[in-house]
Amino acid sequence: AQKITQTQPGMFVQEKEAVTLDCTYDTSDQSYGLFWYKQPSSGEMIFLIYQGSYDEQNATEGRYSLNFQKARKSANLVISASQLGDSAMYFCAMREGVYGQNFVFGPGTRLSVLP
Amino acid sequence: DTAVSQTPKYLVTQMGNDKSIKCEQNLGHDTMYWYKQDSKKFLKIMFSYNNKELIINETVPNRFSPKSPDKAHLNLHINSLELGDSAVYFCASSQSLDSNYGYTFGSGTRLTVV
Repeated sequence: AQKITQTQPGMFVQEKEAVTLDCTYDTSDQSYGLFWYKQPSSGEMIFLIYQGSYDEQNATEGRYSLNFQKARKSANLVISASQLGDSAMYFCAMREGVYGQNFVFGPGTRLSVLP
Repeated sequence: DTAVSQTPKYLVTQMGNDKSIKCEQNLGHDTMYWYKQDSKKFLKIMFSYNNKELIINETVPNRFSPKSPDKAHLNLHINSLELGDSAVYFCASSQSLDSNYGYTFGSGTRLTVV
C-alpha cells in the first residue's frame, strides 16, 4: 500500500493566489514526521516545512503552511500569494519507524503558476 | 560552501561498465542516504547510513554497493550497469535518523546508461 498519496499529478494557480497541494499518509506509528519538499526544474530538492505528529499547531514557514488533520491523516501544503518561482514539483514525505529510519516520498504534484 | 556535494553531476556510460558516484557533506550530520529518482520523478530510498553504519538497505540489486569511509562521505558504486539503472541519484544527509529538519539533498547525479 502507498504510504504517501498525492492525488493531484498537476495543478495550476494564478499568480498571487493561494493554492493547496494535497497529501494523505498511512502509518500505524504514533510518532512520525511529515515534510514537504520542492523540486524546481533545475533538479535540486529544497526542504520547505515540517510537521511533527505531536505538534498541536499547524506549521508555518513564510508563505508556506501545513494544514495538518491528524484524524484524517492529511498534511496539505498551502502556498499563499503564489509567485512564478513557485512553479515546481512538490513532494510530501513522511518519516516513521522506531528510530525514524523510514523516510518515504509521495509521487509529487507539479505546480504551474500562471502570470 | 556546498552543504552536500555529489560528483559527477552527469554520467553517461555503456552497459556493463562499473561506475562510482561520490557524496560528501560538510554539515556535521550523522546520517546519509542515497535515493533514486526515476523518469516519473518517483523518489525511492536505496540506502541509509548512520554514523558509518548501514541502517536501511532497501531492495536494490547487489550490483549497488554503498561505501562510507567516514561520517562525511557516502559513495555509491555500481557494477555491471544496466539500461534500467538510468535515473537521477540523490545523496542526502540529516542531523540524525529522527531529525525534525528534514534532509539536505545534493544536486543529484543524472546517470544515463547507453
